[in-house]
Amino acid sequence: EAQVTQNPRYLITVTGKKLTVTCSQNMNHEYMSWYRQDPGLGLRQIYYSMNVEVTDKGDVPEGYKVSRKEKRNFPLILESPSPNQTSLYFCASSPLGQKTYGYTFGSGTRLTVV
Amino acid sequence: TQLLEQSPQFLSIQEGENLTVYCNSSSVFSSLQWYRQEPGEGPVLLVTVVTGGEVKKLKRLTFQFGDARKDSSLHITAAQPGDTGLYLCAGPPPTQGGSEKLVFGKGTKLTVNP
Repeated sequence: EAQVTQNPRYLITVTGKKLTVTCSQNMNHEYMSWYRQDPGLGLRQIYYSMNVEVTDKGDVPEGYKVSRKEKRNFPLILESPSPNQTSLYFCASSPLGQKTYGYTFGSGTRLTVV
Repeated sequence: TQLLEQSPQFLSIQEGENLTVYCNSSSVFSSLQWYRQEPGEGPVLLVTVVTGGEVKKLKRLTFQFGDARKDSSLHITAAQPGDTGLYLCAGPPPTQGGSEKLVFGKGTKLTVNP
């Protein structure tokens, strides 16, 4: 089944404790992206990657890091999480150059930073 | 400034009623997409509209792209409880041609009561 898999689904952590949210897709998509979804603010892009070793900032990149060492994986790293990073996070992927294809989203990771 | 404005923000109706939700912008979009997000899950693509004036139908859902490609609407006929969810419109930012990036509206939260 074609899918984007995120782990974990739920995470509660303390301020300052480094964490990684994993994202993996099995569709050989070049483009991958991370979004956060907050009430009243909608989906906002954090980082994206056009292909292996090619990453760039989205609209709200502060406090986050990403890497793209393999085509299928695009982990999101929070080096020193803070309470304002409490949010619902989504990873998404799509093929390049097919604008009508749309994004395939993961099921989300609900992060709480206390 | 929100590129895509969705209305209404919330909509609660009875099973069997018809409804229309809107996605508006002051900018011209090359295409617009509609997603549905159910609680606890990631958004799922419903349709992409590309041509101004285009109408697409997906069972009881009818999508229309405005002639000027600045707006879109989603009409649901005889709504069912299974239609409950957050409806998001999205499109590539007009100033970032060639990018795979999507900007999202904040969504319309639809509740269909039995």
